Amino acid sequence: QVQLVQSGAEVKKPGSSVKVSCKSSGNTFSTFSYSWVRQAPGQGLDWMGGIIPSSGTTKYAQKFQDRVTITADESASTVYLDLISLRSDDTAVYYCAKTWIQLWFFFQWGQGTQVTVSS
Amino acid sequence: DIQLTQSPSFLSASVGDRVTITCRASQGISSYLAWYQQTPGKAPKLLIYAASTLQIGVPSRFSGSGSGTEFTLTISSLQPEDFATYYCQQLNNYPLTFGGGTKVEIK
Repeated sequence: QVQLVQSGAEVKKPGSSVKVSCKSSGNTFSTFSYSWVRQAPGQGLDWMGGIIPSSGTTKYAQKFQDRVTITADESASTVYLDLISLRSDDTAVYYCAKTWIQLWFFFQWGQGTQVTVSS
Repeated sequence: DIQLTQSPSFLSASVGDRVTITCRASQGISSYLAWYQQTPGKAPKLLIYAASTLQIGVPSRFSGSGSGTEFTLTISSLQPEDFATYYCQQLNNYPLTFGGGTKVEIK
């Protein structure tokens, strides 16, 4: 069964950075796009950005543009989210999600990674 | 950015009820709209894409309609497993955006 498996929970200090990974099982990694969506406690869904691994094309939401980098390693079928200059309001569950290259609706989701930012 | 406004933000309903949730876009998005269901502690699940196409495996009691700026998600007969929060998402423009959510609770 094809699935997205994310790395484990993280606890970080304000001002530090975090890297979250998302591995896609199966052998069709590069035929899709991948996005990161976060959800703060009790809040809604917030798209951060995405990547098309086959071309390296990235798209970012402007509110995260200065602090987020999304990368992909095709050989490992894994996408990564790097978030720097962490603040307490970055505390959230971070989800990776798979989309078609041309249509970015999220038909498969990872299990989520809790990132807690606290001094 | 395209704003999506869902209404209501909360609704209380009984098993067997017909439920309709509305999503309004701040500008036209053709049919580039998806709907998701999320239960507590779980990742969202895709229900509908292209405004009205049911994702494989989703029960037929779910349906979507609309185009342009106004969209609806309808559950024809609410089941116990349908009590959840529902989100719309537009994919017409970047940044991709979500509605604020509609929480469906048991009356």
